[in-house]
Amino acid sequence: NAGVTQTPKFQVLKTGQSMTLQCAQDMNHEYMSWYRQDPGMGLRLIHYSVGAGITDQGEVPNGYNVSRSTTEDFPLRLLSAAPSQTSVYFCASSYYPGGNEQFFGPGTRLTVL
Amino acid sequence: GQQVMQIPQYQHVQEGEDFTTYCNSSTTLSNIQWYKQRPGGHPVFLIQLVKSGEVKKQKRLTFQFGEAKKNSSLHITATQTTDVGTYFCATAGSARQLTFGSGTQLTVLP
Repeated sequence: NAGVTQTPKFQVLKTGQSMTLQCAQDMNHEYMSWYRQDPGMGLRLIHYSVGAGITDQGEVPNGYNVSRSTTEDFPLRLLSAAPSQTSVYFCASSYYPGGNEQFFGPGTRLTVL
Repeated sequence: GQQVMQIPQYQHVQEGEDFTTYCNSSTTLSNIQWYKQRPGGHPVFLIQLVKSGEVKKQKRLTFQFGEAKKNSSLHITATQTTDVGTYFCATAGSARQLTFGSGTQLTVLP
């Protein structure tokens, strides 16, 4: 099993550009989520999904969209990139939300100029 | 949602010394999870605690959940250079979403 995969590993955008961060898992997990990690602030939840067709907002959803058309994939879209979105983005999955081990992808390092 | 405060933010120890990080909340926690993130890596699950006063051990790592379920600690005995990284606690609130502490960055000096 590949676990949780994310692409790209690194990305540089200009302010105002849009892009999609890809996330896929092959563990048949129902729950998937996106976090951003900034220095000294831990991981903050952006959006999450409890199953195909169901998504919801986390702590910091503004400027991001998600969709979940399949169990395996959970892409994160930046609509109009801003320098404040410079961060490391992690996708995670688990069998169910909350009290269960989360498996993290390797992350995408995004810089917005 | 649930908030967890983690201290210290940074810790430098000499190899062989012990290390402890603490996770505190003003409210009762349903559970606490601990993750380790190596430099440049991604968080990796270590353990979950759910019972009041629970203590679990993994080799040199000891995890505790307070009697009132408002705090937790991770203690590493005789640190090694392989212990370097950032240790996060996390808890699931009523919405079952994980909230992470800000982490403790451990440096082990050889």
